Amino acid sequence: GAGVSQSPSNKVTEKGKDVELRCDPISGHTALYWYRQSLGQGLEFLIYFQGNSAPDKSGLPSDRFSAERTGGSVSTLTIQRTQQEDSAVYLCASSLERAPGETQYFGPGTRLLVL
Amino acid sequence: AQSVTQPDIHITVSEGASLELRCNYSYGATPYLFWYVQSPGQGLQLLLKYFSGDTLVQGIKGFEAEFKRSQSSFNLRKPSVHWSDAAEYFCAVGANNNDMRFGAGTRLTVKP
Repeated sequence: GAGVSQSPSNKVTEKGKDVELRCDPISGHTALYWYRQSLGQGLEFLIYFQGNSAPDKSGLPSDRFSAERTGGSVSTLTIQRTQQEDSAVYLCASSLERAPGETQYFGPGTRLLVL
Repeated sequence: AQSVTQPDIHITVSEGASLELRCNYSYGATPYLFWYVQSPGQGLQLLLKYFSGDTLVQGIKGFEAEFKRSQSSFNLRKPSVHWSDAAEYFCAVGANNNDMRFGAGTRLTVKP
């Protein structure tokens, strides 16, 4: 079946502009995660959605970052007033549910470059 | 909170040689442990995971990992590396509170 998809695959923007990154999780997966992967760094957790519950936003680095998940499926990560330090690969993952040890399935990521 | 350390940023091995990638974790209870691989331009793919039971876990692509509680380690091994194994490898630890933490990754280069 189809895996996690993300769009765009690459995004170049100017400092100060807003960007939207999209994630389509695997059908039927109730949990959805966003991570940021900076050069030479591991994965930094940003935000997590589980079904209709309030999202866990504890990893968002600033109030310029926000995310929503419509209809329990597609998610959009928005970065407002982008800064050069926002340049990174943004990865989305989904899992059947959020449970200890549940496997997360990752999309190919969106590579964001802020000039 | 749990944490994971991958001491080696970059490892180079010759094709056909054996491989061991190190992973050390910190967590007060029995962790859930994962190894993921990320090929260039791709997302992360699960290689294997450990929950409980047999401490030697077999994964895809000929990889295995051994959970050693006494050493707080979950090292990834492969007896004979192929050129296609060149990638970034991430160890991750999950906790009972559903949090998952990833290591910084180890980049594997395979020499012909």
